[in-house]
Amino acid sequence: DAGVTQSPTHLIKTRGQQVTLRCSPKSGHDTVSWYQQALGQGPQFIFQYYEEEERQRGNFPDRFSGHQFPNYSSELNVNALWLGDSALYLCASSLVHTDTNTEAFFGQGTRLTVV
Amino acid sequence: GDSVTQMEGPVTLSEEAFLTINCTYTATGYPSLFWYVQYPGEGLQLLLKATKADDKGSNKGFEATYRKETTSFHLEKGSVQVSDSAVYFCALRENFGNEKLTFGTGTRLTIIP
Repeated sequence: DAGVTQSPTHLIKTRGQQVTLRCSPKSGHDTVSWYQQALGQGPQFIFQYYEEEERQRGNFPDRFSGHQFPNYSSELNVNALWLGDSALYLCASSLVHTDTNTEAFFGQGTRLTVV
Repeated sequence: GDSVTQMEGPVTLSEEAFLTINCTYTATGYPSLFWYVQYPGEGLQLLLKATKADDKGSNKGFEATYRKETTSFHLEKGSVQVSDSAVYFCALRENFGNEKLTFGTGTRLTIIP
């Protein structure tokens, strides 16, 4: 079982550029969540996708957008990059149940540096 | 809104010492509580969890008890090892079907031989 895989592992972009990060969920999982982890901080929830729709969103501007594909994989897009967008971006996958909580599995993250 | 407050680090202990990392939370409902661990250069791994009051989560010698009366979920280990050096995050998740995790700021633990 491959677990949650993210690509690329590292990325350097210039202010104002756009970036796309990718995530493949753990086999059998149908929900993908994205988190931003600034240096020395805890992860902050960006949004979550289920059935190809954004299901829940944290306090992030519209420059952050996403997509989920029929195979449950997901992309995170960030437009008009700021220096402050430099962070580790974590993808987590889980399986939605209607009556139980399930464990979220995290990928190793994509380290984005904006210069 | 929901929030998690963690004991500030960094924490440095000698091998075989007793570990406590404090965590308290604020939530509107009845959340599930988690401890995640992050080793250098890696993503987050679930260490243990508790889904209701008085539950005790345990794994790899670590324990934490869900205390609703004090809104706490302190992490403990009786005898730490060098391999326990990592960053530890306390987190909560509200409600069934709501997968969003709210994390604390993390506590960096260093164990010296």
